Amino acid sequence: DGGITQSPKYLFRKEGQNVTLSCEQNLNHDAMYWYRQDPGQGLRLIYYSQIVNDFQKGDIAEGYSVSREKKESFPLTVTSAQKNPTAFYLCASSSGQGSSANSGYTFGSGTRLTVV
Amino acid sequence: QQQVKQSPQSLIVQKGGISIINCAYENTAFDYFPWYQQFPGKGPALLIAIRPDVSEKKEGRFTISFNKSAKQFSLHIMDSQPGDSATYFCAASSNDYKLSFGAGTTVTVRA
Repeated sequence: DGGITQSPKYLFRKEGQNVTLSCEQNLNHDAMYWYRQDPGQGLRLIYYSQIVNDFQKGDIAEGYSVSREKKESFPLTVTSAQKNPTAFYLCASSSGQGSSANSGYTFGSGTRLTVV
Repeated sequence: QQQVKQSPQSLIVQKGGISIINCAYENTAFDYFPWYQQFPGKGPALLIAIRPDVSEKKEGRFTISFNKSAKQFSLHIMDSQPGDSATYFCAASSNDYKLSFGAGTTVTVRA
């Protein structure tokens, strides 16, 4: 079955720690995205990548970093510079062929990060 | 600021009733308008989508109405069922693939 796998499902971070959230897809999608979800605020774009070894900042990139060394993988690191990291993090992918072939995003099941 | 404005924030409907969620956008470059359904603790899943060359699209009990001149689109859930209780997000994108999402609407269907 093709899809997106996010791990872990739950993650706890101590103050001052960096943590990395994993996102792997086997859909052969070119584009991948990270969103943060907070209650009442919808989905806010953190970073996105259209091709391997290239990525762009989204609307709330401060305190986060990403890499795209393989087409299948797009890990997100929440750094200690992110002052309010407690949230639900969602990874998504799309074919990225342009709107004529755009079939929307496929989302993972999310990682819930809590600062302790 | 949000590029897609969604309302209402929440709604309650009786089983068999109609749920209506509205979205508005400003960016005229948007050319793809999907709706996503999300259950608690899960990622959103694509429900239905429309492009601006049509004014309405129906899939089962779900219908999107699109008004290009008003830059508005809406989701109608007919014959609402308890299993439809979820959070619904509208979204929009242009050729750069990035989806901009509305803030979400929590729908509760009472049996």
